[in-house]
Amino acid sequence: DTEVTQTPKHLVMGMTNKKSLKCEQHMGHRAMYWYKQKAKKPPELMFVYSYEKLSINESVPSRFSPECPNSSLLNLHLHALQPEDSALYLCASSLQGEAAFFGQGTRLTVV
Amino acid sequence: GQQLNQSPQSMFIQEGEDVSMNCTSSSIFNTWLWYKQDPGEGPVLLIALYKAGELTSNGRLTAQFGITRKDSFLNISASIPSDVGIYFCAGQKNYGQNFVFGPGTRLSVLP
Repeated sequence: DTEVTQTPKHLVMGMTNKKSLKCEQHMGHRAMYWYKQKAKKPPELMFVYSYEKLSINESVPSRFSPECPNSSLLNLHLHALQPEDSALYLCASSLQGEAAFFGQGTRLTVV
Repeated sequence: GQQLNQSPQSMFIQEGEDVSMNCTSSSIFNTWLWYKQDPGEGPVLLIALYKAGELTSNGRLTAQFGITRKDSFLNISASIPSDVGIYFCAGQKNYGQNFVFGPGTRLSVLP
């Protein structure tokens, strides 16, 4: 299994909603990442988990809350988002910090 | 902060032509990655480079790690319509540090 799987593929949520994005990999990778990507821009790092511990938080607003329940799963909990948070959210994983493999992304629209 | 530049920003080529693009930095990087991203999908890792001067191929794609360690190059031979997409380079200064992404080169292939 060489895939990073993200669900859902598309999500529309209101500004008062609470939702979660999910990511799963079964490659034995110990580093997992959340990226945000706006149209025509490169991916922008949000969070890094290393061995299930949060190692990097790139000054992301608290309305985004990551969680790593185990070495294969990564969640991103969303609450009280703003329309400008609409973007493609990408999960990625790497063995221990080398080249990362990306999931197909969740297209999030905040209305 | 660390920044990568990619050239050209965009290019239109005829099917069957060869393509060259590059990624440059004012800083030294010890790992270079090349990704391709299709619209609405996550980036797909094409080639990883770990050593200055290294030349690595993946089918019709060839990438080189510049000897100054401040640049990398990607060539695509005999382009086909499915080569259309955005090509991102990413550099890592030291092992375990986060990758920095370039702004991307948008490739269009005309039949």
